[in-house]
Amino acid sequence: DQQVKQNSPSLSVQEGRISILNCDYTNSMFDYFLWYKKYPAEGPTFLISISSIKDKNEDGRFTVFLNKSAKHLSLHIVPSQPGDSAVYFCAASRKAAGNKLTFGGGTRVLVKP
Amino acid sequence: DGGITQSPKYLFRKEGQNVTLSCEQNLNHDAMYWYRQDPGQGLRLIYYSQIVNDFQKGDIAEGYSVSREKKESFPLTVTSAQKNPTAFYLCASSPSGDMGYGYTFGSGTRLTVV
Repeated sequence: DQQVKQNSPSLSVQEGRISILNCDYTNSMFDYFLWYKKYPAEGPTFLISISSIKDKNEDGRFTVFLNKSAKHLSLHIVPSQPGDSAVYFCAASRKAAGNKLTFGGGTRVLVKP
Repeated sequence: DGGITQSPKYLFRKEGQNVTLSCEQNLNHDAMYWYRQDPGQGLRLIYYSQIVNDFQKGDIAEGYSVSREKKESFPLTVTSAQKNPTAFYLCASSPSGDMGYGYTFGSGTRLTVV
């Protein structure tokens, strides 16, 4: 049972435009949602997170939106830069389950100059 | 500089061999985790430990074993019982009780069966 899903395996966007990455989840008990960025042959790095009690969190060019009724979150990157080209993973956690992270399958983003 | 060190970066295993992947952290984090990534897929949890001398199975623990004798170290052994061990293995750590910032990951070990 895949509790966190990223239905778009890839995304191509022009430099300077907005990148929108989507993520759906099935478990309404998740407490936190996080986005990680990963380059090939490296470990993921934390990007931004949002608590389940909020609907928006912003950090510089990155904004995460949470729609609990739809069990959906999205990451907006504005403006997109070539260095943003990477795989982005959505993840979710439950404090009651030991804060283990459950990851989506990832979305590969390519930002074209 | 604090961080997580995984070694080796590349590892080759013969059929029927056990191999151990090293993971060391100097972040003073209580919790440590092992994930596996297969090509084109997300990360799946193998084992995790929230405190020294204690660990729990994740979603795909079969064929793997771990130990947590020290806070800094969480080695993963891939046994011969693991039928498809070729993958990219990632170790992570986190402070207990704080999920706002998630995990710190190591740079990974790529294991190949030859």
